[in-house]
Amino acid sequence: GAVVSQHPSWVICKSGTSVKIECRSLDFQATTMFWYRQFPKQSLMLMATSNEGSKATYEQGVEKDKFLINHASLTLSTLTVTSAHPEDSSFYICSAPLHTEAFFGQGTRLTVV
Amino acid sequence: GEDVEQSLFLSVREGDSSVINCTYTDSSSTYLYWYKQEPGAGLQLLTYIFSNMDMKQDQRLTVLLNKKDKHLSLRIADTQTGDSAIYFCAEVDSGNTPLVFGKGTRLSVIA
Repeated sequence: GAVVSQHPSWVICKSGTSVKIECRSLDFQATTMFWYRQFPKQSLMLMATSNEGSKATYEQGVEKDKFLINHASLTLSTLTVTSAHPEDSSFYICSAPLHTEAFFGQGTRLTVV
Repeated sequence: GEDVEQSLFLSVREGDSSVINCTYTDSSSTYLYWYKQEPGAGLQLLTYIFSNMDMKQDQRLTVLLNKKDKHLSLRIADTQTGDSAIYFCAEVDSGNTPLVFGKGTRLSVIA
Protein backbone atom coordinates (compact mmCIF):
# COMPACT_ATOMS: atom_id res chain seq x y z
CA GLY A 1 0.00 0.00 0.00
CA ALA A 2 0.89 3.65 -0.12
CA VAL A 3 3.33 5.05 2.44
CA VAL A 4 3.14 8.19 4.54
CA SER A 5 6.30 9.06 6.43
CA GLN A 6 6.20 11.30 9.47
CA HIS A 7 9.21 12.77 11.27
CA PRO A 8 10.33 12.95 13.94
CA SER A 9 8.89 9.95 15.77
CA TRP A 10 9.38 11.63 19.09
CA VAL A 11 10.66 14.96 20.30
CA ILE A 12 11.26 16.55 23.67
CA CYS A 13 11.45 20.32 23.76
CA LYS A 14 11.59 23.10 26.29
CA SER A 15 8.61 25.30 27.02
CA GLY A 16 8.49 28.29 24.74
CA THR A 17 10.32 26.71 21.82
CA SER A 18 8.85 25.66 18.48
CA VAL A 19 8.74 22.20 17.00
CA LYS A 20 8.24 21.26 13.36
CA ILE A 21 6.70 17.93 12.34
CA GLU A 22 6.89 16.74 8.74
CA CYS A 23 4.47 14.49 6.91
CA ARG A 24 5.44 13.12 3.50
CA SER A 25 3.55 10.97 1.06
CA LEU A 26 6.32 8.83 -0.40
CA ASP A 27 4.74 7.23 -3.44
CA PHE A 28 1.68 9.28 -4.22
CA GLN A 29 0.61 12.88 -4.39
CA ALA A 30 -1.63 14.28 -1.70
CA THR A 31 -3.40 17.57 -2.31
CA THR A 32 -5.00 17.15 1.09
CA MET A 33 -3.54 15.91 4.34
CA PHE A 34 -5.11 15.75 7.77
CA TRP A 35 -3.50 16.43 11.13
CA TYR A 36 -4.83 14.69 14.22
CA ARG A 37 -3.95 14.88 17.89
CA GLN A 38 -4.36 12.04 20.32
CA PHE A 39 -4.21 12.51 24.08
CA PRO A 40 -3.43 9.47 26.25
CA LYS A 41 -6.18 6.86 26.21
CA GLN A 42 -8.32 9.00 23.95
CA SER A 43 -9.32 8.95 20.35
CA LEU A 44 -7.85 10.87 17.47
CA MET A 45 -9.23 14.36 17.15
CA LEU A 46 -8.95 16.20 13.87
CA MET A 47 -6.99 19.43 14.27
CA ALA A 48 -6.81 20.75 10.75
CA THR A 49 -6.98 19.98 7.07
CA SER A 50 -3.89 20.89 5.09
CA ASN A 51 -4.45 21.90 1.48
CA GLU A 52 -1.68 22.17 -1.09
CA GLY A 53 -1.53 25.68 -2.49
CA SER A 54 -4.01 27.22 -0.07
CA LYS A 55 -4.54 27.91 3.60
CA ALA A 56 -5.22 25.14 6.05
CA THR A 57 -8.67 24.70 7.53
CA TYR A 58 -8.69 24.48 11.32
CA GLU A 59 -11.23 22.75 13.52
CA GLN A 60 -13.05 24.71 16.14
CA GLY A 61 -10.93 25.34 19.19
CA VAL A 62 -7.59 24.84 17.43
CA GLU A 63 -5.46 27.99 17.38
CA LYS A 64 -4.14 28.57 13.87
CA ASP A 65 -1.38 30.89 15.11
CA LYS A 66 -0.14 28.23 17.47
CA PHE A 67 -0.32 25.28 15.11
CA LEU A 68 1.10 26.50 11.83
CA ILE A 69 0.47 24.29 8.84
CA ASN A 70 2.26 24.58 5.54
CA HIS A 71 1.49 22.32 2.59
CA ALA A 72 4.50 23.23 0.50
CA SER A 73 4.18 20.59 -2.20
CA LEU A 74 2.02 17.70 -3.28
CA THR A 75 4.04 15.35 -1.08
CA LEU A 76 4.84 17.41 2.01
CA SER A 77 2.84 19.01 4.80
CA THR A 78 4.39 20.41 7.95
CA LEU A 79 2.89 21.20 11.36
CA THR A 80 4.79 23.65 13.54
CA VAL A 81 3.84 23.89 17.19
CA THR A 82 4.89 27.38 18.15
CA SER A 83 5.77 28.49 21.68
CA ALA A 84 5.06 24.99 22.94
CA HIS A 85 3.72 24.48 26.46
CA PRO A 86 3.40 21.30 28.52
CA GLU A 87 -0.31 21.08 27.69
CA ASP A 88 0.69 20.67 24.03
CA SER A 89 2.34 17.36 24.90
CA SER A 90 0.49 14.79 22.86
CA PHE A 91 0.71 12.31 20.01
CA TYR A 92 0.36 14.05 16.66
CA ILE A 93 -0.41 12.03 13.57
CA CYS A 94 -0.98 12.93 9.94
CA SER A 95 -2.87 11.13 7.24
CA ALA A 96 -3.25 11.43 3.50
CA PRO A 97 -6.21 10.06 1.58
CA LEU A 98 -5.77 7.99 -1.55
CA HIS A 99 -8.85 6.70 -3.31
CA THR A 100 -10.86 4.85 -0.68
CA GLU A 101 -8.18 4.67 1.98
CA ALA A 102 -6.50 6.98 4.45
CA PHE A 103 -2.81 6.31 5.03
CA PHE A 104 -1.31 7.39 8.30
CA GLY A 105 2.14 8.48 9.32
CA GLN A 106 3.85 6.77 12.23
CA GLY A 107 2.96 9.63 14.54
CA THR A 108 5.06 12.04 16.58
CA ARG A 109 5.08 11.96 20.35
CA LEU A 110 5.74 15.49 21.56
CA THR A 111 6.77 16.08 25.15
CA VAL A 112 7.15 19.66 26.30
CA VAL A 113 9.12 20.10 29.51
CA GLY B 1 -21.85 16.45 13.96
CA GLU B 2 -21.02 12.86 13.20
CA ASP B 3 -20.38 10.56 16.11
CA VAL B 4 -18.81 7.12 16.39
CA GLU B 5 -19.20 5.07 19.56
CA GLN B 6 -17.33 2.01 20.74
CA SER B 7 -17.07 0.11 23.98
CA LEU B 8 -13.78 0.91 25.67
CA PHE B 9 -12.54 -2.50 26.80
CA LEU B 10 -12.70 -6.13 25.75
CA SER B 11 -10.89 -9.06 27.29
CA VAL B 12 -10.74 -12.51 25.69
CA ARG B 13 -8.80 -15.74 26.09
CA GLU B 14 -6.22 -16.75 23.53
CA GLY B 15 -7.83 -18.87 20.83
CA ASP B 16 -11.32 -17.46 21.37
CA SER B 17 -13.05 -15.08 18.97
CA SER B 18 -13.18 -11.37 19.70
CA VAL B 19 -16.05 -9.18 18.59
CA ILE B 20 -15.62 -5.42 18.73
CA ASN B 21 -18.73 -3.34 18.13
CA CYS B 22 -19.18 0.17 16.81
CA THR B 23 -22.16 2.42 16.14
CA TYR B 24 -22.18 5.59 14.09
CA THR B 25 -24.63 8.36 13.35
CA ASP B 26 -23.70 9.62 9.88
CA SER B 27 -26.24 8.23 7.44
CA SER B 28 -24.10 9.33 4.49
CA SER B 29 -21.06 7.32 5.50
CA THR B 30 -19.47 5.82 2.44
CA TYR B 31 -16.66 3.77 3.93
CA LEU B 32 -16.18 2.33 7.38
CA TYR B 33 -12.77 1.34 8.65
CA TRP B 34 -11.08 -0.63 11.36
CA TYR B 35 -7.64 0.49 12.47
CA LYS B 36 -5.28 -1.14 14.96
CA GLN B 37 -2.94 0.84 17.19
CA GLU B 38 -0.23 -0.84 19.22
CA PRO B 39 1.34 1.02 22.18
CA GLY B 40 3.33 4.07 21.08
CA ALA B 41 2.73 3.36 17.40
CA GLY B 42 0.71 4.88 14.59
CA LEU B 43 -2.42 3.45 13.06
CA GLN B 44 -2.49 0.34 10.93
CA LEU B 45 -5.42 -0.14 8.58
CA LEU B 46 -6.88 -3.59 9.17
CA THR B 47 -9.81 -3.57 6.82
CA TYR B 48 -12.59 -1.44 5.46
CA ILE B 49 -16.06 -1.98 4.09
CA PHE B 50 -18.06 -0.02 1.57
CA SER B 51 -21.47 1.07 2.80
CA ASN B 52 -23.37 -1.01 0.24
CA MET B 53 -21.85 -4.22 1.57
CA ASP B 54 -22.99 -6.10 4.63
CA MET B 55 -20.05 -8.40 5.16
CA LYS B 56 -16.40 -8.63 4.33
CA GLN B 57 -14.00 -11.40 5.29
CA ASP B 58 -10.23 -11.21 5.23
CA GLN B 59 -8.41 -14.17 6.77
CA ARG B 60 -9.13 -14.04 10.52
CA LEU B 61 -11.09 -10.81 10.25
CA THR B 62 -14.80 -10.56 9.52
CA VAL B 63 -16.56 -7.22 9.26
CA LEU B 64 -20.33 -7.05 9.54
CA LEU B 65 -22.27 -3.92 8.65
CA ASN B 66 -25.91 -3.28 9.50
CA LYS B 67 -26.55 -0.05 7.67
CA LYS B 68 -30.13 0.23 8.89
CA ASP B 69 -29.00 0.21 12.53
CA LYS B 70 -25.69 1.97 11.73
CA HIS B 71 -23.84 -0.82 13.48
CA LEU B 72 -20.43 -2.16 12.52
CA SER B 73 -18.55 -5.06 14.07
CA LEU B 74 -15.12 -6.61 13.74
CA ARG B 75 -14.70 -10.27 14.56
CA ILE B 76 -11.21 -11.65 15.06
CA ALA B 77 -11.11 -15.43 14.91
CA ASP B 78 -8.57 -17.42 16.94
CA THR B 79 -7.41 -14.32 18.82
CA GLN B 80 -3.70 -14.27 19.61
CA THR B 81 -1.67 -12.33 22.16
CA GLY B 82 -0.27 -10.28 19.29
CA ASP B 83 -3.79 -9.00 18.65
CA SER B 84 -3.69 -7.07 21.94
CA ALA B 85 -4.02 -3.42 20.92
CA ILE B 86 -6.51 -0.61 20.61
CA TYR B 87 -8.95 -0.95 17.74
CA PHE B 88 -10.53 2.15 16.23
CA CYS B 89 -13.66 2.25 14.19
CA ALA B 90 -13.84 5.16 11.74
CA GLU B 91 -16.16 6.41 9.07
CA VAL B 92 -15.89 8.82 6.17
CA ASP B 93 -18.26 10.49 3.72
CA SER B 94 -15.98 10.80 0.73
CA GLY B 95 -12.38 10.38 -0.34
CA ASN B 96 -11.10 13.81 0.56
CA THR B 97 -12.81 14.33 3.89
CA PRO B 98 -11.28 13.41 7.24
CA LEU B 99 -12.16 10.25 9.07
CA VAL B 100 -14.28 10.43 12.20
CA PHE B 101 -12.95 8.04 14.82
CA GLY B 102 -14.46 6.26 17.75
CA LYS B 103 -12.64 6.38 21.08
CA GLY B 104 -11.11 2.97 20.50
CA THR B 105 -11.60 -0.42 22.11
CA ARG B 106 -8.69 -1.80 24.11
CA LEU B 107 -8.47 -5.53 23.42
CA SER B 108 -6.60 -7.60 25.99
CA VAL B 109 -5.81 -11.20 25.14
CA ILE B 110 -5.20 -13.50 28.07
CA ALA B 111 -2.87 -16.43 27.45
